Amino acid sequence: QVQFVQSGAEVKKPGASVKVSCKASGFTFTSHTIQWVRQAPGQRPEWMGWINAGNGNTQYSQNFRGRVTITRDTSASTVYMDLSSLTSEDTAIYYCGRVLEKRCDYWGQGTLVTVSS
Amino acid sequence: DILMTQAPFSSPVTLGQPASISCKSNQSLVHRDGNTYLSWLQQRPGQPPRLLIYKISNRFSGVPDRFSGSGAGTDFTLKISRVEAEDVAVYYCMQATQFPFTFGPGTKVDIK
Repeated sequence: QVQFVQSGAEVKKPGASVKVSCKASGFTFTSHTIQWVRQAPGQRPEWMGWINAGNGNTQYSQNFRGRVTITRDTSASTVYMDLSSLTSEDTAIYYCGRVLEKRCDYWGQGTLVTVSS
Repeated sequence: DILMTQAPFSSPVTLGQPASISCKSNQSLVHRDGNTYLSWLQQRPGQPPRLLIYKISNRFSGVPDRFSGSGAGTDFTLKISRVEAEDVAVYYCMQATQFPFTFGPGTKVDIK
């Protein structure tokens, strides 16, 4: 079965960076695109970007002003999301998910990132 | 960015009764490839979102047939024919026609 296991909760100080991992199983990793979506408390989800796990091509939301980088390790079937220059507004749950024909059909359990001084 | 709006904000429903959620976009969601990439997601408390409907009206695997989607262009609707207790959740529409993909503000469905 399709499954994602994300890394554990993080607490970061303003100005720091965070790297969240997402390990995939149950499908052919390199045949799919993996996206990242975050959700601040009580807010609607926000799309951050995605990576083609096969060729490594990425697409990012310009709303993050170049602060987000998504990479993958095909040998480990793992996708990483790096977010830099953190502020309190980046406090959110970060979700990875598999994309098929522009629909996210399976989601990870989420990783809480808290930014606090 | 495409702006997505939803109505109502909250929908208290009697068990076994229908519920309907409206989703509107401020521009057409018809992609140049002819598809309309409008999805509906369900999010139960403390859970990640779950795909219910994709490309307006296609139910995802395992989704009960009491959920249905309709619409075109800029106006879309999610209907639950008979609400069950397990349907208590926040429902989001999401467009994937244009980057960045965007979500509606959500509609909370709960039981009267």
